Amino acid sequence: GAVVSQHPSRVICKSGTSVKIECRSLDFQATTMFWYRQFPKQSLMLMATSNEGSKATYEQGVEKDKFLINHASLTLSTLTVTSAHPEDSSFYICSARSRSGTSGGTWETQYFGPGTRLLVL
Amino acid sequence: KQEVTQIPAALSVPEGENLVLNCSFTDSAIYNLQWFRQDPGKGLTSLLLIQSSQREQTSGRLNASLDKSSGRSTLYIAASQPGDSATYLCAVGGNTGFQKLVFGTGTRLLVSP
Repeated sequence: GAVVSQHPSRVICKSGTSVKIECRSLDFQATTMFWYRQFPKQSLMLMATSNEGSKATYEQGVEKDKFLINHASLTLSTLTVTSAHPEDSSFYICSARSRSGTSGGTWETQYFGPGTRLLVL
Repeated sequence: KQEVTQIPAALSVPEGENLVLNCSFTDSAIYNLQWFRQDPGKGLTSLLLIQSSQREQTSGRLNASLDKSSGRSTLYIAASQPGDSATYLCAVGGNTGFQKLVFGTGTRLLVSP
């Protein structure tokens, strides 16, 4: 099956610093990648959708200047949390959707990364 | 706006029991519905994907059904095992644009030996 990786898996940073999280599709080309956030004991909430080579589309209530998303290639998307604060501490999960037939699955299937746990002190 | 609800929020059963997890959604104009498993502190594992034109999907001890008109899906787990203990999430794929997934609130399952 298709594999999506995230790096780092865990990060601790000081308040006010910026943190970059990478999402990679390892064995398929992802035209679309999604970024989710999950607070403890809650479900996943979609933050933004990114398409390769174009600006990300943010969900209502998500600050685009705080959560910078770059989808520079068909296998890599990055999420940068700028000037992180303790309330940004969360589990961030990305998913990637392949082109038709490239990964052996249907094109609408999203493959999820293992997540990145961010703790802002 | 699509809203997805899962009942029960938590479930504790002894090993060997058959069980049903429920998922309901408010907008029946969906593209697909997917069931996931999430272990504590981990990412998602896709279990079953049902297209909007399908009524059910089966994989091993798992069977998921979809009744789009009534906005409901169930996940049936047969002969539960302690290794099935996890949080189960259903997610509904939208019918337009990027076909974004809207996730349910999840059911935390504990299967005791």
